[in-house]
Amino acid sequence: GAVVSQHPSRVICKSGTSVKIECRSLDFQATTMFWYRQFPKQSLMLMATSNEGSKATYEQGVEKDKFLINHASLTLSTLTVTSAHPEDSSFYICSAIKQGASYEQYFGPGTRLTVT
Amino acid sequence: AQSVAQPEDQVNVAEGNPLTVKCTYSVSGNPYLFWYVQYPNRGLQFLLKYITGDNLVKGSYGFEAEFNKSQTSFHLKKPSALVSDSALYFCAVRSSTSNTGKLIFGQGTTLQVKP
Repeated sequence: GAVVSQHPSRVICKSGTSVKIECRSLDFQATTMFWYRQFPKQSLMLMATSNEGSKATYEQGVEKDKFLINHASLTLSTLTVTSAHPEDSSFYICSAIKQGASYEQYFGPGTRLTVT
Repeated sequence: AQSVAQPEDQVNVAEGNPLTVKCTYSVSGNPYLFWYVQYPNRGLQFLLKYITGDNLVKGSYGFEAEFNKSQTSFHLKKPSALVSDSALYFCAVRSSTSNTGKLIFGQGTTLQVKP
């Protein structure tokens, strides 16, 4: 299999605080992970591409200082939403590409972030 | 520019009837095409993909899709719909020349299967 987990599945935080979301590939090594944001009943918006051991590549319009991405190992990438505001409330989904098998992206179950 | 279009926001079909969810794409180079399904508050589940070879691709849960190069389409089909197929479906494409692995997603189509 190719299982990707995300933690937490749901988080509520106060405006101005930071929250970290973890994305793990459980049974494979992932050279590349992606972070998406999804608004209700809308498509996935790619935020950034995360490569192990190097800086993430952010999509146009995504603030890299607000959405900090770290990909410290072949099985873990983290997204930290800094100084969160209510407009950051969203469903965040990560995906991973298996090392040596680049066709498919395997998606995590998503994290629902609510900023109050 | 690469793009994917799913022209229908919603498709309604009666249980037992065949279903089609449409997808057209635009990409430079050869396309790698994917279908994913999303249930409420869940991540995306992979259904099937076309990389090369036979134009008719069979995937999970009885779904299939046909790659049509001349029409740049990759419509998702199932001969007999189930109520449990009701979900949000996404078509995605990447170019064979892409070295980033980035997928371009369509806007999604909600499939509603009624008993």
